[in-house]
Amino acid sequence: AQSVTQLGSHVSVSEGALVLLRCNYSSSVPPYLFWYVQYPNQGLQLLLKYTSAATLVKGINGFEAEFKKSETSFHLTKPSAHMSDAAEYFCAVLSGGYNKLIFGAGTRLAVHP
Amino acid sequence: GAVVSQHPSWVICKSGTSVKIECRSLDFQATTMFWYRQFPKQSLMLMATSNEGSKATYEQGVEKDKFLINHASLTLSTLTVTSAHPEDSSFYICSAREAGTGNTGELFFGEGSRLTVL
Repeated sequence: AQSVTQLGSHVSVSEGALVLLRCNYSSSVPPYLFWYVQYPNQGLQLLLKYTSAATLVKGINGFEAEFKKSETSFHLTKPSAHMSDAAEYFCAVLSGGYNKLIFGAGTRLAVHP
Repeated sequence: GAVVSQHPSWVICKSGTSVKIECRSLDFQATTMFWYRQFPKQSLMLMATSNEGSKATYEQGVEKDKFLINHASLTLSTLTVTSAHPEDSSFYICSAREAGTGNTGELFFGEGSRLTVL
């Protein structure tokens, strides 16, 4: 079965600083990986996804993630944090024959002035 | 983009009653919908996969008699929490995959429904 592990339940950065949210995956088949963002009391919004095309994936709101097979990682980055980026971020992988989306534990990003 | 709507957004009920949550795909047809449960400050746990016209597939540990899922049309899936108890209080989120996009098609998420059982 496929799974993802997010390292760091809380990340705090200054406005304008680099954002790095870590995600490692475990998969016996080529993985399909996703990053979602959740604002309080809301559903999830897709930031970006990796589906075996380019290893560097660009998403919305200036986020990007790089798929590194050798490190089994799919870390999310953004060069310069904005206050509006404060939210919960989830890494996810398609599992169960690429049918079910399984989420990591989530990382809460705080951005301070 | 595709829109998935959940109703109600908030619901408070008494212990022992049943509550129905609706998940609708507003501008696309969804052969597959998923129901997730999210406890405060935790991740989303997949409860079940709902396929239009057939029985839902429940994840291990999820009581199918307690969480009734119906996917009677290509645009509507419902989750009914039967005989609700305070421990059922949670944030329930549905997602839908557009028909014809295959297993790797993008999932679109509803806004979530917060259930509080008194």
